[in-house]
Amino acid sequence: GQQLNQSPQSMFIQEGEDVSMNCTSSSIFNTWLWYKQDPGEGPVLLIALYKAGELTSNGRLTAQFGITRKDSFLNISASIPSDVGIYFCAGRGGANNLFFGTGTRLTVIP
Amino acid sequence: NAGVTQTPKFQVLKTGQSMTLQCAQDMNHNSMYWYRQDPGMGLRLIYYSASEGTTDKGEVPNGYNVSRLNKREFSLRLESAAPSQTSVYFCASSLMNTEAFFGQGTRLTVV
Repeated sequence: GQQLNQSPQSMFIQEGEDVSMNCTSSSIFNTWLWYKQDPGEGPVLLIALYKAGELTSNGRLTAQFGITRKDSFLNISASIPSDVGIYFCAGRGGANNLFFGTGTRLTVIP
Repeated sequence: NAGVTQTPKFQVLKTGQSMTLQCAQDMNHNSMYWYRQDPGMGLRLIYYSASEGTTDKGEVPNGYNVSRLNKREFSLRLESAAPSQTSVYFCASSLMNTEAFFGQGTRLTVV
């Protein structure tokens, strides 16, 4: 199957700090998506990226679609306690299937 | 605002039993997906349906069958459940090549 390497696997940060996580793929993707999952819930879309080089923000979140189309990163600025959760990257290739990374578990210490 | 609705939310099966997980979306999306989520594994694609009338295997299709009943509904069937199929199952839908929206999940335990 498709390999999406997401790092780091987990992060412990102080409230107010910035966070950065990234995802790399062995294949080229046409779309990169970033999701957040809270316990017992389904993933919720944070940011969608459709063009290589695209940089998109959603409040304190910023994500970029890598120029090579094989990577993407997500930054969270000035973290707050409700940012706690698991963040997933997802990539879509040409066949309309959608593959997910293994997730980054974020803990914010007040 | 129903979005993607999955039933049931929880299920316990004995090894060898069969069951069908139901999924319906009200967003007029073309594509629908079934994923399983296991600890440390992220979400793995079981099957997807790019449009009504088509289904394709994902990364981990063995032991599952799917039916795209109509544009709204996409069901996942376990014919003979095994303990290895204990997982949380998520259904999702999207317009072609755009972001996917997820249901709340079905937590399945096979004993």
